[in-house]
Amino acid sequence: GAVVSQHPSRVICKSGTSVKIECRSLDFQATTMFWYRQFPKKSLMLMATSNEGSKATYEQGVEKDKFLINHASLTLSTLTVTSAHPEDSSFYICSASRDSYNSPLHFGNGTRLTVT
Amino acid sequence: GENVEQHPSTLSVQEGDSAVIKCTYSDSASNYFPWYKQELGKRPQLIIDIRSNVGEKKDQRIAVTLNKTAKHFSLHITETQPEDSAVYFCAALKGGGNKLTFGTGTQLKVEL
Repeated sequence: GAVVSQHPSRVICKSGTSVKIECRSLDFQATTMFWYRQFPKKSLMLMATSNEGSKATYEQGVEKDKFLINHASLTLSTLTVTSAHPEDSSFYICSASRDSYNSPLHFGNGTRLTVT
Repeated sequence: GENVEQHPSTLSVQEGDSAVIKCTYSDSASNYFPWYKQELGKRPQLIIDIRSNVGEKKDQRIAVTLNKTAKHFSLHITETQPEDSAVYFCAALKGGGNKLTFGTGTQLKVEL
């Protein structure tokens, strides 16, 4: 089955620093990847849609200058949390699908970010 | 946009019993409905999905039903086992799009 790899799985950083999270599709090409944020015991909140070769589409209320997304190739999308603050602490998960539409999404393992 | 409601938020069943989780969606253009299982601290795993041209789909102990007229779909787990304990999310995807809208999740606990 489709495999999506996300790295790192866990990161602790200090306030004011930036953190980069990588999402890779290992056995298929993904023109579109998605980035979600999940708070404890809550649902997945879509942050942005990452499109290969073009700018990401951000959901309402998500700061694009805070959460930088780069989708430089068909197998890699990165999310950079810039100038992190404790309120950015969360579980971040990426996902990707083989085709553009109506295909099952496959999720990465997620990244637990803790900002101290 | 699409809005997906999910009930119940928590569900406790005895091992061997059945569990049913229900979701409703608002956009009649939605035509793909996956269900995900998420264990604590892990990724959501797709367990079953259904498209709008089908009313029911079954995979061993798991089944999903879809009522397009009423705009609701349900997950049925039979002969529950302790390893079924997890959070389950329903989702809906609008035809021609690729952005899933998730339900709020159901914490299922299967007790011995």
